[in-house]
Amino acid sequence: SQQGEEDPQALSIQEGENATMNCSYKTSINNLQWYRQNSGRGLVHLILIRSNEREKHSGRLRVTLDTSKKSSSLLITASRAADTASYFCATDASGGNTPLVFGKGTRLSVIA
Amino acid sequence: GAGVSQSPSNKVTEKGKDVELRCDPISGHTALYWYRQSLGQGLEFLIYFQGNSAPDKSGLPSDRFSAERTGGSVSTLTIQRTQQEDSAVYLCASSQAGIGNTEAFFGQGTRLTVV
Repeated sequence: SQQGEEDPQALSIQEGENATMNCSYKTSINNLQWYRQNSGRGLVHLILIRSNEREKHSGRLRVTLDTSKKSSSLLITASRAADTASYFCATDASGGNTPLVFGKGTRLSVIA
Repeated sequence: GAGVSQSPSNKVTEKGKDVELRCDPISGHTALYWYRQSLGQGLEFLIYFQGNSAPDKSGLPSDRFSAERTGGSVSTLTIQRTQQEDSAVYLCASSQAGIGNTEAFFGQGTRLTVV
């Protein structure tokens, strides 16, 4: 079963605007990660935030984590056409040796 | 190798035939995952290997699906008596330590088409 659920399912913005994607999950987690996928093939890791962290930055990316609400958000600032891709959150449930489980993703289109 | 390698990149097979998909993880990575992704959908977890522990097979959709990992390195996902609903991209990933502690590196996937 899928642990994370992203919303919106699809997002279309103009180049230069900010894009915000959200992820909700069901169980307690060790970490939450965000990945990007181009053209339906391999995923690329973007950022990892640990359960005891609330915010993390990497370049134009900003991730927040609210464990009380079991939710995370990914903000991409000053978007570019090259940011067009699908974005997935992934979590591993705390308490044991559990696999990394992905949500259904948000399809982002950045229009030049 | 430099990254996770999957083969073949594309496979077309007739309904009812068996297929084997291969994954070469990054050397030294102890964790290996298989996922399935249908067109426009999210990643469906299939199976997970971690070191010498028993694999987590909880995501395998039916007993037609099996996977093994030989010598803690290369993994093969086998689908027996393929059905049209098995058509999807099969993605393999590996990571260095325990799950979720480090990033997972993905291969480019095998696109399986059952006709």
